[in-house]
Order: sequence, then C-alpha cells, then structure tokens
Amino acid sequence: EVQLVESGGGLVQPGGSLRLSCAASGFTFSDYWMSWVRQAPGKGLEWVANSKRDGSERYYVVSVKGRFSISRDNAKNSLYLQMNSLSVEDTAVYFCARDGPGGVLDIWGQGTMVTVSS
Amino acid sequence: DIVMTQSPDSVAVSLGERATINCKSSQSVLNSSNNKNYLAWYQQKPGQPPRLLIFWASTRESGVPDRFIGSGSGTDFTLTISSLQAEDVAVYYCQQYSGTKTFGQGTKVEIK
Repeated sequence: EVQLVESGGGLVQPGGSLRLSCAASGFTFSDYWMSWVRQAPGKGLEWVANSKRDGSERYYVVSVKGRFSISRDNAKNSLYLQMNSLSVEDTAVYFCARDGPGGVLDIWGQGTMVTVSS
Repeated sequence: DIVMTQSPDSVAVSLGERATINCKSSQSVLNSSNNKNYLAWYQQKPGQPPRLLIFWASTRESGVPDRFIGSGSGTDFTLTISSLQAEDVAVYYCQQYSGTKTFGQGTKVEIK
C-alpha cells in the first residue's frame, strides 16, 4: 500500500525551530519529487516546498524562503522539513505529498500539526 | 505566482442534482508543447487530507466515480458533480501545477 506518514509536529514558541519527517512506503521513493503542503486552522491549502528526486533542486513558497529547508534521505525513504524562525503565521497542519505526473499531488499523508504560540 | 480564484465559495445542492464549481487562473496553465492543462481538483473532507480527483484538467484519478467531471482549458475550468451523493459533501480545491503550485481558496459543497 502506498503510504506517507508525517511526524514531528508539536507546540513551539515564536522564534523556535522544529523538524518534520515524512516516511514513505509502497513506492520507489527516489523516483519522485516530493512536496510539503500546509493548512492553517479553518483555512485553505498552501504549497510550501518541494524537492527533486535526488534532492539537487529545491523550491519554496516566498513566505518560507530562508527559514525552511526541505531535504530527503532516499536510503531511508524519508522526507524532511526543517523549520526555523517560526512565527504564529506558520501554525498549520503540514502534509507530505508525492508529486505525480507533471507535478500533481497524487498521494498525501494524514498530516502533522504545528502550533506556534507563546 | 499564478492566482487561482474559485466560485462560488459555497454551494448547496439537492441529492441527485448537479453541482458546479468554477476555477479561474490569473494566467494560462496550458502548456503548448504538450497541449496539457496543468490543473487539478482535490476533495477534502473534515479531518482528512485532500484527495486527488482530477488532473490534466479532465483526467479522473483511479477509483474516482465518473460523476466527477473536469473540463476547461487555458484559464477557465469547471468541476461538475453530475448527481450529488451524500458522501460528496466536502470542500473542493482547484490547483495549478504549471509553475509554483498554487491552490484556489476552496468551495464548500453542502446538501440542500
């Protein structure tokens, strides 16, 4: 079964850091670009970042550039999101998603909640 | 970035009736080299992650009922639920993946 499982969310103070993980199974992880997408409470979806198959190219939404870093370990079938200088506006459920044909997000994890609050 | 605008923000339809959601992009998402529209539709139910319904504007994902129909090209797209079922109550998002991925604001579909 194709599956993505996120972990690492939690409560963090403004200015703090957090590292999210996404464990992939059921498909050849190294064959796919991978993305992070977030959803603030009661709000819509926002794509955050993605990584090329070998990690050599990474792209970010403007609002997180310089603060977030996406990485992957293909040997461990895992995707990561290092989040620094967190602000209350980063509070959201963070989803890991697979980039399918052309870049459509065809497989999603259940998400992990990140709350930034003092 | 390409801005995606959906209409309406919410719609209430009787069971068995048609529901229509529109999506407009601020610039074309049609790739002239392969004649494909980089436009997808997702369904999200409360407490669940989004589910891919339609990609390339009109191709149904495996397992998606054929009452979900995607159409349009260039900058104007439509998702039609031809005969609304109770399990279709959800929020629907359009998304372009032509460049930096962006989503519409979502349309809530309810039963009248």
